[in-house]
Amino acid sequence: KAGVTQTPRYLIKTRGQQVTLSCSPISGHRSVSWYQQTPGQGLQFLFEYFSETQRNKGNFPGRFSGRQFSNSRSEMNVSTLELGDSALYLCASSLDRGENTGELFFGEGSRLTVL
Amino acid sequence: EDQVTQSPEALRLQEGESSSLNCSYTVSGLRGLFWYRQDPGKGPEFLFTLYSAGEEKEKERLKATLTKKESFLHITAPKPEDSATYLCAVRSAGSNYKLTFGKGTLLTVNP
Repeated sequence: KAGVTQTPRYLIKTRGQQVTLSCSPISGHRSVSWYQQTPGQGLQFLFEYFSETQRNKGNFPGRFSGRQFSNSRSEMNVSTLELGDSALYLCASSLDRGENTGELFFGEGSRLTVL
Repeated sequence: EDQVTQSPEALRLQEGESSSLNCSYTVSGLRGLFWYRQDPGKGPEFLFTLYSAGEEKEKERLKATLTKKESFLHITAPKPEDSATYLCAVRSAGSNYKLTFGKGTLLTVNP
């Protein structure tokens, strides 16, 4: 069974540019979450999607946005990049089991460097 | 707001030297406590889910336990391949669609 696939794995951008990251969840998983990981802050929740609807959003500025498509694939976008946006962006998928939503399965991440 | 604190930040063990990692949490209505392992340059790999105090889960040399305020990850007779960062996370009733992570414990096992 294929795992969570994220593209691209590595990218370098300059301040002010924008970036789009892509995530394909495990087959059958309809919930997709995004996390930002930095050495100082650890893993921080960005947003979660289910059936093309955003169900929860973390405390990030509006420059961070996402969407989910009908096939459960998801993208996140960061506009007007800042140096502090350099991080590992992780996508995770899960089976939605209602109140006790199951464990998250993570991809290998997209490493973004902003110069 | 949910909070997760892991200790120690780093732990160095000799091969075969058993020890425990700690995860203290503050949540409003626990809906699950999760342990993950993360290798350098990789995404976190799921290990265990615990839902209620007194619950225990085991996998090879790892055993996770849960109380009302903390969880322990016990590592018995570790091997160098157990070296990784171990992350603890919680899901609460107030935020069912996200995990709140601790900053992790970096475990190094020397041969």
